[in-house]
Amino acid sequence: QKEVEQDPGPLSVPEGAIVSLNCTYSNSAFQYFMWYRQYSRKGPELLMYTYSSGNKEDGRFTAQVDKSSKYISLFIRDSQPSDSATYLCAIPPPGGYQKVTFGIGTKLQVIP
Amino acid sequence: GAVVSQHPSWVICKSGTSVKIECRSLDFQATTMFWYRQFPKQSLMLMATSNEGSKATYEQGVEKDKFLINHASLTLSTLTVTSAHPEDSSFYICSARVTRPRLEQFFGPGTRLTVL
Repeated sequence: QKEVEQDPGPLSVPEGAIVSLNCTYSNSAFQYFMWYRQYSRKGPELLMYTYSSGNKEDGRFTAQVDKSSKYISLFIRDSQPSDSATYLCAIPPPGGYQKVTFGIGTKLQVIP
Repeated sequence: GAVVSQHPSWVICKSGTSVKIECRSLDFQATTMFWYRQFPKQSLMLMATSNEGSKATYEQGVEKDKFLINHASLTLSTLTVTSAHPEDSSFYICSARVTRPRLEQFFGPGTRLTVL
């Protein structure tokens, strides 16, 4: 079983829709969770960072962690064409001294 | 967030030549940097972990003699693709890690390498 699983998509939604992006993980010791956005032919940029269970909101973006299910989500409200990108979940290891585990990334296309 | 730069942003070279890619942390010091490779429509593949002042740790299947990494200072790591061949053509991305105030990883903009 992979440490982090993410559906690669692609996911196409109409402009204004609510988008739900998800990852599952296997190691219950994971504590920090990150979401990156990568535009085509660009390096990933850190979008959100969450710790422990619960929700964290930043503008149109909400990151949610359910530790009991080992499930993390990123919601995008009022999606815009400029949100079209690949979204990667990333989980740093406990202790922080080994490599961060990245999901494969979900490609999102928001259609005007 | 912290800024990581890469140079060059793209490079085209002939088969058999060597190419050096620089990765700099602009406004912070990074004891650990990472080099990734990304093929079209695929995710990031970690190639190696670079620690300042010590030898890089390569992932399984990555040739250390082909992909030379030097992390000579807290703000600069370099990746040299030696005797490049067309199959080395890819998007190379570096990343720098900070641990305080919390563990975060910041990526450079990437370097597109095309070997003719």
